[in-house]
Amino acid sequence: QVQLVQSGAEVRKPGASVKVSCKASRYTFTSYAIHWVRQAPGQRLEWMGWINNGNGNTIYSPKFQDRVTITRDTSATTAYMELRSLRSEDTAVYYCARGFRPKDSFDPWGQGTLVTVSS
Amino acid sequence: QSVLTQPPSVSGAPGQRVTISCTGSSSNIGAGYNVHWYQQLPGTAPKLLIYDNNNRPSGVPDRFSGSKSGTSASLAITGLQAEDEADYYCQSYDSSLSGYVEFGGGTKLTVL
Repeated sequence: QVQLVQSGAEVRKPGASVKVSCKASRYTFTSYAIHWVRQAPGQRLEWMGWINNGNGNTIYSPKFQDRVTITRDTSATTAYMELRSLRSEDTAVYYCARGFRPKDSFDPWGQGTLVTVSS
Repeated sequence: QSVLTQPPSVSGAPGQRVTISCTGSSSNIGAGYNVHWYQQLPGTAPKLLIYDNNNRPSGVPDRFSGSKSGTSASLAITGLQAEDEADYYCQSYDSSLSGYVEFGGGTKLTVL
């Protein structure tokens, strides 16, 4: 079945950057987008942005616009999310999810990657 | 603060029916954008439950149903089972400057 497998947990100090990967399998990677969603402890889901894997175009949430970059490697069927200038409030589980446009549903989701920001 | 408002919690006994509301505005649900629902079991990733207001993906029991009217949407669960205890989130698109994709604040369902 369609699967998204994310990289493992990360610990970073404030001000650093983190790059999370999302490996897709068992479907045509370039026919779908990948969205990134995060969830701080006990908090709601928060959309960060998406990449059209066909043409590489990206759209970011205004909240993260100046700190996030989403890329993809079509040969590796992998998407990446890099978040810079980390602060303690960025401690969260980061999910990738397959979808089409931002108006559409996301299915499936990756297992999540815990990013902890602590000095 | 979420653009889409959900009750923090709902509860019901096994076999009962519960509904979870998702209230939006004229820039999201009221503008005609579809609503999607996700189930998140403790410690796991969200799972798509309902897409495009009232459609179930393959494998989702027909005990789960969705509806939409005006600026609100609802998720109904009939024949409650213990394994339905989870967090439920609605999702829609927002055409304002808030951020395009919006999730509700989530609703914790407790099966008594």
